[in-house]
Amino acid sequence: DIQMTQSPSSLSASIGDRVTISCRASQTIRSHLNWYQMKPGKVPKLLIYATSTLEIGVPSRFSGSESGTDFTLTIRSLQREDLATYYCQQSYSNPPTFGGGTKVDLK
Amino acid sequence: EVQLEQSGAEVKKPGESLKISCHVSEFSFSSFWIGWVRQLPGKGLEWMDIIYPPDSDITNSPSFQGQVTISADLSNSTVYLQWNSLKTSDSAIYYCVRRRGSPRGPFDSWGLGTLVSVSS
Repeated sequence: DIQMTQSPSSLSASIGDRVTISCRASQTIRSHLNWYQMKPGKVPKLLIYATSTLEIGVPSRFSGSESGTDFTLTIRSLQREDLATYYCQQSYSNPPTFGGGTKVDLK
Repeated sequence: EVQLEQSGAEVKKPGESLKISCHVSEFSFSSFWIGWVRQLPGKGLEWMDIIYPPDSDITNSPSFQGQVTISADLSNSTVYLQWNSLKTSDSAIYYCVRRRGSPRGPFDSWGLGTLVSVSS
């Protein structure tokens, strides 16, 4: 199985801060990297797929990038509604695997 | 709006059987693969299995093969996840997911999750 190592496991930031979350794949996944947002009691949400394509309706302050097997989710200016846990997931090979998650809360 | 409506929370004892469900609406049940993702208490996400309802083609994670059974009923647009003999370690939230497009597509729609608690 492809291992996805996500960091940090948690972070605290202020409203308006730039936030970056990293995800490293144990082998090539050829841009098949997706990001999800999870909030307690809410339906989980696909944010970004194929490394950098924003899902319809996702604010443009979210972006994704890659460098080899390293992937990054960036929130350009953190908003209160962005406080959540974020997961990366590779869909390149079976079984699809997730990173361990990053919980974003307020400083 | 795509809807994946999951069955309610369950409280079970070890050794009991269980079948949870995911009813699909607002999109063609015959056009997408539907699967399950597990979240253990306080832990991350694990993909379990996925099914293509028109022909019940199934792909399982090796980690879950033989532990659970996925099935689909075209007549009521519902996918199921079944255990024959629950263990306490099966206590988790189970999310129903829709996979978009190709085998490498993302999970573009999720259910709210079904909490399963197994305790003696």
